[in-house]
Amino acid sequence: GAGVSQSPSNKVTEKGKDVELRCDPISGHTALYWYRQSLGQGLEFLIYFQGNSAPDKSGLPSDRFSAERTGGSVSTLTIQRTQQEDSAVYLCASSFTGQARPGANVLTFGAGSRLTVL
Amino acid sequence: AQKITQTQPGMFVQEKEAVTLDCTYDTSDPSYGLFWYKQPSSGEMIFLIYQGSYDQQNATEGRYSLNFQKARKSANLVISASQLGDSAMYFCAMRGGKAAGNKLTFGGGTRVLVKP
Repeated sequence: GAGVSQSPSNKVTEKGKDVELRCDPISGHTALYWYRQSLGQGLEFLIYFQGNSAPDKSGLPSDRFSAERTGGSVSTLTIQRTQQEDSAVYLCASSFTGQARPGANVLTFGAGSRLTVL
Repeated sequence: AQKITQTQPGMFVQEKEAVTLDCTYDTSDPSYGLFWYKQPSSGEMIFLIYQGSYDQQNATEGRYSLNFQKARKSANLVISASQLGDSAMYFCAMRGGKAAGNKLTFGGGTRVLVKP
């Protein structure tokens, strides 16, 4: 698609329930990132997928968080047994990594999924 | 580990004046990239400008310029001729090389409010 698409845009759930957040990156982008942004705060790195390499999961805050990327395209972030502190905006971003200057590959962000855990 | 620091949580600027947003970083990678993003109240993340660690000249994009001082490990953003629409959160970010896993790390942000 033309941009990074995330769904749902808003999700309200009860404490203890599982949620799935979806990200559809820009076609052809091999890198995909998930970040979490709490109200008024900066972006907290969660996980990074690059092509067929093993994902960098170093930012996942607990084993309740997991993510997968199927077929090198769509990604799903799953939060099990949600807690109130999981309430945040979850941002997905993708980038192309084929340029001669790899550091210049700009991330394009989706609009985010706002999660509220009651 | 790489780290990005933005020491100014918020600042006011008069319309039409210039403003400088501070950003310092720490990395052991010799090759890295520095980015600035703008996040208006709508929440979208908008890419502004990029500086590579080996770039000889400071990056410029319209009213945005990056004051890159490699020895000091600083990458300050300068916005010239501020406009009301510049009111937003601004994030500095760094992507390191292989040692850092190529991930993009963000600073805590600076909130800018442009006064008419």
